[in-house]
Amino acid sequence: KAGVTQTPRYLIKTRGQQVTLSCSPISGHRSVSWYQQTPGQGLQFLFEYFSETQRNKGNFPGRFSGRQFSNSRSEMNVSTLELGDSALYLCASKQGAAYEQYFGPGTRLTVT
Amino acid sequence: DQQVKQNSPSLSVQEGRISILNCDYTNSMFDYFLWYKKYPAEGPTFLISISSIKDKNEDGRFTVFLNKSAKHLSLHIVPSQPGDSAVYFCAASGAYGGSQGNLIFGKGTKLSVKP
Repeated sequence: KAGVTQTPRYLIKTRGQQVTLSCSPISGHRSVSWYQQTPGQGLQFLFEYFSETQRNKGNFPGRFSGRQFSNSRSEMNVSTLELGDSALYLCASKQGAAYEQYFGPGTRLTVT
Repeated sequence: DQQVKQNSPSLSVQEGRISILNCDYTNSMFDYFLWYKKYPAEGPTFLISISSIKDKNEDGRFTVFLNKSAKHLSLHIVPSQPGDSAVYFCAASGAYGGSQGNLIFGKGTKLSVKP
């Protein structure tokens, strides 16, 4: 099976702009979670989607949002970008009630 | 407040010897623990996991031990190989019930295995 894919891999944006990141889960996986990785805070949970519904949300401002489509693909959006949003954004998928999540390669976002 | 802590930022081990990576947690509601390995410019790769009802799980060269009373788990790699050099993350799930889609990660330990 193909793994989790994320596009784009690298992105440079300017403060105040918005950005949309995309994630395609492993075939058959209906749960998609998003994480932000920064040197200072480590890996932090953003939100989880299952069957097109947000099932869980981390402690991030409302500028961070996401959605899931009927084919389980997911997008996350960050509006009004700030310098502190520069990070590696990771998407992970899993099967049903399993605990093990499988990660994509990430999107490296740089905000200037 | 860090709920999952990896107190050693780095560890250096000789090839062929045992690597022991440690992780402590504070939330007694966690019911499942996972270890991930991460190479630069790649996403984390799932290694091994353990349910809170067990105290040991083994998979090849990797063994995870869980001590619930001490809220401590460890990952043993035997024998260590240069290809094991990576950052290892401990993660926990279940604190908030429900979907298990929310993993709480430690800050990671960078393992260097020297030939």
